[in-house]
Amino acid sequence: NAGVTQTPKFQVLKTGQSMTLQCAQDMNHEYMSWYRQDPGMGLRLIHYSVGAGITDQGEVPNGYNVSRSTTEDFPLRLLSAAPSQTSVYFCASSYSRGKLDGLSYEQYFGPGTRLTVT
Amino acid sequence: SQQGEEDPQALSIQEGENATMNCSYKTSINNLQWYRQNSGRGLVHLILIRSNEREKHSGRLRVTLDTSKKSSSLLITASRAADTASYFCALCPPGTYKYIFGTGTRLKVLA
Repeated sequence: NAGVTQTPKFQVLKTGQSMTLQCAQDMNHEYMSWYRQDPGMGLRLIHYSVGAGITDQGEVPNGYNVSRSTTEDFPLRLLSAAPSQTSVYFCASSYSRGKLDGLSYEQYFGPGTRLTVT
Repeated sequence: SQQGEEDPQALSIQEGENATMNCSYKTSINNLQWYRQNSGRGLVHLILIRSNEREKHSGRLRVTLDTSKKSSSLLITASRAADTASYFCALCPPGTYKYIFGTGTRLKVLA
């Protein structure tokens, strides 16, 4: 198993450019999520998905779009990059149960994408 | 913000000593998880404790949970240089799919 993979590892964008961060998992996990990590801020949830065709917003969704057409893939799209989106982005996946029980399984994280917007 | 708060923010100890870090939170929980992050890398799951559990052990790790005080602690016993990392607590309020992560404790273990 490759686990959770992310591409690219590093990316530099100019303000206004758009790009897609790729995330894939081979563990047949229903739940996938995207986080950004800024110094001293911990991880903040951007978007998440509980299955193919189902996505929802997290804590900091503005400026990002997601889609989930397959169980394996969960790409994150930056619509018009801004310097405030300079960060390290992590994708994660886990099993999930019904919403009443919340998330009760460990998350598996990808290695991250370091994005700089100039 | 509903972020978990961890303290201390940074901790430096000698190899062989114990390290304790704490996590406080504001919401109700079904479970609380602890993760480790080595510099520049993704997070790795360490341990999960459910809301009806008070203490859990895994190797050199001991986690406690006090839901009345909305706090948890992670104890690493007999620390090693390889334990040098940042440690985060994470929780998911019931009825949501939104994880909340703490701000992290940076642990440095000196050989």
